[in-house]
Amino acid sequence: EVQLVESGGGLVQPGGSLRLSCAASGFTFSTYWMSWVRQAPGKGLEWLGKIKEDGSEKYYPDSVKGRFTISRDNAKNSLFLQMNSLRDEDTAVYYCARPSGYCGAGYGSCFPFDSWGQGTLVTVSS
Amino acid sequence: DIVMTQSPDSLAVSLGERATINCKSSQSVLYSSNNKNYLAWYQQKPGQPPKLLISWASTRESGVPDRFSGSGSGTDFTLTISSLQAEDVAVYYCQQYYNSLPLTFGGGTKVEIK
Repeated sequence: EVQLVESGGGLVQPGGSLRLSCAASGFTFSTYWMSWVRQAPGKGLEWLGKIKEDGSEKYYPDSVKGRFTISRDNAKNSLFLQMNSLRDEDTAVYYCARPSGYCGAGYGSCFPFDSWGQGTLVTVSS
Repeated sequence: DIVMTQSPDSLAVSLGERATINCKSSQSVLYSSNNKNYLAWYQQKPGQPPKLLISWASTRESGVPDRFSGSGSGTDFTLTISSLQAEDVAVYYCQQYYNSLPLTFGGGTKVEIK
């Protein structure tokens, strides 16, 4: 059974940093692109970026580019999200997500997310 | 970016009745090379992560009841719940994965019991 378990959320002051982790099990982690998605309270879903199977490629939307960094440790079946210069509007539940197949860059090269973690809540507040 | 627009924002349907949710993309998500629509539907219940219901616009995931169906092509898509059950109360999201940079979701449609 595929399992994704996020951790590392909590209360952080504006301008602060936080590192989230996602522990993966039940599948060959090193063969999947992985993504982070967040959901602000009462709001919709926002994709935060993805990382290639071997970590050699990473992509982010403009909204978080330069502030958020995705990394992975395939030996430990773990995915990470380093968040810097946090703002009030970064308050959200953060999910790691696995596509059902390949999800590279470009057009027609991706699959939808068939596995999600339960999420970890990040609250940015003074 | 491909913008996904869902309608309505919310709807209330009687048990056993049909619920219809629309999703429109700002650009076609039909890939001509394989004739597939890169459109997914997710269901999210309170306090839970999203659950993939339908991929490729109309392919139900394993275990998803057949009262859920997806249709449409190009830029216009529909999720239909043919006979609403109490356990279907949730927020439903569409997502395009045709252009993966960035991946984008619709704003969500809340389905309630009338």
